[in-house]
Amino acid sequence: GAGVSQSPRYKVTKRGQDVALRCDPISGHVSLYWYRQALGQGPEFLTYFNYEAQQDKSGLPNDRFSAERPEGSISTLTIQRTEQRDSAMYRCASSLGGSNQPQHFGDGTRLSIL
Amino acid sequence: GQQLNQSPQSMFIQEGEDVSMNCTSSSIFNTWLWYKQDPGEGPVLLIALYKAGELTSNGRLTAQFGITRKDSFLNISASIPSDVGIYFCAGGGGATNKLIFGTGTLLAVQP
Repeated sequence: GAGVSQSPRYKVTKRGQDVALRCDPISGHVSLYWYRQALGQGPEFLTYFNYEAQQDKSGLPNDRFSAERPEGSISTLTIQRTEQRDSAMYRCASSLGGSNQPQHFGDGTRLSIL
Repeated sequence: GQQLNQSPQSMFIQEGEDVSMNCTSSSIFNTWLWYKQDPGEGPVLLIALYKAGELTSNGRLTAQFGITRKDSFLNISASIPSDVGIYFCAGGGGATNKLIFGTGTLLAVQP
């Protein structure tokens, strides 16, 4: 597609439920990133994929968070046993391969945990 | 999590004025980027800088990559109402190119 597409746009769920957030990167972009953005702050890095390989997951807060990109295109960020502190905007970005390529962001998924 | 120091935190200016904002880090980056974020939307890339000392323009926007590789600034000339938004700097370019973002500058432009 023309840009990074994320779904759902909004997700409201009860504490303790699992959620799955989807990212469809720009066509041809081999690098994919997940960030989390709290209100009034800049995005914070969660994890990075190069093709299907998860090469950096140092930003994932704990083991309830996981991500996959099985075919090197669409990625899913999964949060198990959600807690209220998980509420935030989750953003996906993609770029062409290479360490200096600029990242382009999607409009994000607003996650609210009740 | 780590965030870069960005200033000013907010600016309220008249249409037509020039604005300047900057970003500093205790770490060296190989790339500096500037993004603009409108309400309800994702950050949109404005300018990307790849070399220390580099000065790059994009229309009314000019950005520089500091010589020390620890800072960058963004200038907007002749501001217009649609410049309103939050501006973020970001440092990157390591092995994974993960971005470290600044704390953001809220720009308000009075017509």
